[in-house]
Amino acid sequence: ETGVTQSPTHLIKTRGQQVTLRCSSQSGHNTVSWYQQALGQGPQFIFQYYREEENGRGNFPPRFSGLQFPNYSSELNVNALELDDSALYLCASSLAGARSTEAFFGQGTRLTVV
Amino acid sequence: AQTVTQSQPEMSVQEAETVTLSCTYDTSESDYYLFWYKQPPSRQMILVIRQEAYKQQNATENRFSVNFQKAAKSFSLKISDSQLGDAAMYFCAYTALNAGNMLTFGGGTRLMVKP
Repeated sequence: ETGVTQSPTHLIKTRGQQVTLRCSSQSGHNTVSWYQQALGQGPQFIFQYYREEENGRGNFPPRFSGLQFPNYSSELNVNALELDDSALYLCASSLAGARSTEAFFGQGTRLTVV
Repeated sequence: AQTVTQSQPEMSVQEAETVTLSCTYDTSESDYYLFWYKQPPSRQMILVIRQEAYKQQNATENRFSVNFQKAAKSFSLKISDSQLGDAAMYFCAYTALNAGNMLTFGGGTRLMVKP
């Protein structure tokens, strides 16, 4: 167990709907990153939040957005869901500024868009 | 842009034997980290081993060791004395030192362990 928790574990949504996924970071960590892992592929970086600001973004459209709260927990929001958004969404927390760095992952949220 | 390539979609090893998983990467950075993550069916990514690019010595963690060839941009994982619990997806990942743990992953290698 890493101390990073994600909710919900599974979710089914209809194309065009909106979804919010949640991540509670490990105690002491101030940075949260989100990844999309399509079936049979490696995770793809979506974006990262540090001190409630977006700190970096991968090649994902603006309908993917996020928030980080003062307690460093985070949300991933996806608008106008498409069938290709079906994937495992992983969040990872880490401590910015430390050279010896490690990201701790949650167990993921499996999103199915029908 | 950085890329990470794992050329072996699947590997199989007999229990107690040794297996090596391959990974190559491309970057223009001089200071970075490389990782091997294990993803069992439970889906949670677990860090297996980490290598800092400025360190010439190959990292080892118990039965897991790496062969880091910086000039060749190669980073292979060797698992010795394979156990049934080692069966999982293995992902090679990269992050630049100044990238704040924004990881670039390879496509993964599925490791099967035969009893």
